[in-house]
Amino acid sequence: GEDVEQSLFLSVREGDSSVINCTYTDSSSTYLYWYKQEPGAGLQLLTYIFSNMDMKQDQRLTVLLNKKDKHLSLRIADTQTGDSAIYFCAEWVNYGGSQGNLIFGKGTKLSVKP
Amino acid sequence: SAVISQKPSRDICQRGTSLTIQCQVDSQVTMMFWYRQQPGQSLTLIATANQGSEATYESGFVIDKFPISRPNLTFSTLTVSNMSPEDSSIYLCSLGGGPAHTQYFGPGTRLTVL
Repeated sequence: GEDVEQSLFLSVREGDSSVINCTYTDSSSTYLYWYKQEPGAGLQLLTYIFSNMDMKQDQRLTVLLNKKDKHLSLRIADTQTGDSAIYFCAEWVNYGGSQGNLIFGKGTKLSVKP
Repeated sequence: SAVISQKPSRDICQRGTSLTIQCQVDSQVTMMFWYRQQPGQSLTLIATANQGSEATYESGFVIDKFPISRPNLTFSTLTVSNMSPEDSSIYLCSLGGGPAHTQYFGPGTRLTVL
């Protein structure tokens, strides 16, 4: 079945870059997403990338997609303490027509040390 | 973008009781979903809340345990019935139908069952 894997923890120092990695299994995924969940809050959509792209940049965020290896990464430049959160990778799995589901990884907890 | 609210934000319930969670959106949306996020786990889709008809449940979830109502395009409820400690989770509603199948999440309801 479909599966999305992420490392569970990442710790960085303030001002450094963070790179959060994700692998997925469904080669037919058309879209991949990064969500952020702060303590006690719901999920916030950060960005998404279409599968025919290999990079997308949005301010401090850079998404890299290696479709051959089914590997997605999220780079956060100049990481701040406010970036401390759990980051979820997700893929859109198409079941036919417009039907499908979002499949989520277990999330990577990013800790930013001052 | 739409504003999504959930009530209650958290609750502590006794085994064997039921809890109804409300999801309210400030604009009409076609697609609404309910997810469960168990402690330390990823999000799992419970069901798609269909306006004016029965919800569509994912494998492993049944209507008797998780009845869902969707009386209009701005509101839905999820009931967790006959609760046990294994039902302790965060329950989130989300809106779909955005570009690239994006979904936007409510703040979640944190449920603890004793």
